[in-house]
Amino acid sequence: DADVTQTPRNRITKTGKRIMLECSQTKGHDRMYWYRQDPGLGLRLIYYSFDVKDINKGEISDGYSVSRQAQAKFSLSLESAIPNQTALYFCATSEGLNEQFFGPGTRLTVL
Amino acid sequence: RKEVEQDPGPFNVPEGATVAFNCTYSNSASQSFFWYRQDCRKEPKLLMSVYSSGNEDGRFTAQLNRASQYISLLIRDSKLSDSATYLCVVEYAGKSTFGDGTTLTVKP
Repeated sequence: DADVTQTPRNRITKTGKRIMLECSQTKGHDRMYWYRQDPGLGLRLIYYSFDVKDINKGEISDGYSVSRQAQAKFSLSLESAIPNQTALYFCATSEGLNEQFFGPGTRLTVL
Repeated sequence: RKEVEQDPGPFNVPEGATVAFNCTYSNSASQSFFWYRQDCRKEPKLLMSVYSSGNEDGRFTAQLNRASQYISLLIRDSKLSDSATYLCVVEYAGKSTFGDGTTLTVKP
């Protein structure tokens, strides 16, 4: 089984809809991250969490919110989706300042 | 200016070639440095960490120059399987900043 899983893997939604992307990890890592990637660009950090009670905004947090329900779970919400939030979303985990392990990604399309 | 900038690419090289990628960063207090590899539409995976003393892993060599604020990745004897996008990552205070990536295509 994969160490970092993301659901759904693909999602098409309409403008204005609320959508939640979920991430789970079995690695026991303390840190979790949400990134988005647009075509031809690198990953941009949306939110990151050092532990359940420590959540921080990243570079592009506007329009997104997160919830760290447990050490192993970190959810990303789009309260009112808009077309320019169409992107590939990755969740990642790490233990301290070490290697990040990524989930397989969620491809989100907002029409 | 972006916090992390990479060679724009793409790089198209024949098998067996040596290719080098550079990456510059703007935050002199950056703490950790990495190269990740990303295959088309898949998740990035760590290729190697980059240390001040430089480090080598088989055909791959990474170097860090703190004074000039750049890191490099050298790939020797390129293989077809090296075709991918290489992402430079710089970390500060727990936050990672990714470069936009350099795409490498190795041709027979």
